[in-house]
Amino acid sequence: EAGVAQSPRYKIIEKRQSVAFWCNPISGHATLYWYQQILGQGPKLLIQFQNNGVVDDSQLPKDRFSAERLKGVDSTLKIQPAKLEDSAVYLCASSYTGGGSRGTFFGQGTRLTVV
Amino acid sequence: DQQVKQNSPSLSVQEGRISILNCDYTNSMFDYFLWYKKYPAEGPTFLISISSIKDKNEDGRFTVFLNKSAKHLSLHIVPSQPGDSAVYFCAVSKGKTDKLIFGTGTRLQVFP
Repeated sequence: EAGVAQSPRYKIIEKRQSVAFWCNPISGHATLYWYQQILGQGPKLLIQFQNNGVVDDSQLPKDRFSAERLKGVDSTLKIQPAKLEDSAVYLCASSYTGGGSRGTFFGQGTRLTVV
Repeated sequence: DQQVKQNSPSLSVQEGRISILNCDYTNSMFDYFLWYKKYPAEGPTFLISISSIKDKNEDGRFTVFLNKSAKHLSLHIVPSQPGDSAVYFCAVSKGKTDKLIFGTGTRLQVFP
């Protein structure tokens, strides 16, 4: 079974630039998550999709972050404009049902550095 | 406001000994608890879980203990192996279908 695929693995941008991350979840997984992991902290949920609908985006900074999941499969997360404090690893995860079960699988993440 | 705390940022244990990792949470509404393991440059991988109806769950060398009255859970690894060296995150949720809330992680180093 293929895992959660993310790209790119690494990205360096200047502040005020824009950036986009891509995620392909495990086939058949209806739920998709984007987490932000800042150095020294645990992953923090940014947004949760069930199929192509948003379940939870309460911690997504909507003035600069946006995410979409077209056709209930792949997802993109965009930051525009980026700030220095957005430097983090962005993790995509997917599961058959909602989170909290052993069925939540994570991708390798995209490490973003904003300079 | 940190709902899940792992107060030990790092732990060093000799191979063959027991590793004990601790986690505290603040909200008694959480009823599902998990441990994830993370190697460098990889995403977290599921290790073991426990629901609030139990106080212990065992899977091979890994055992998770839950103390609901103290809002505390721990992960025991016996015997510890060098391959266990990684960052361990505890995570909590309200039910199996809710989002995961992670602690800050504990870096475990197992030396020969």
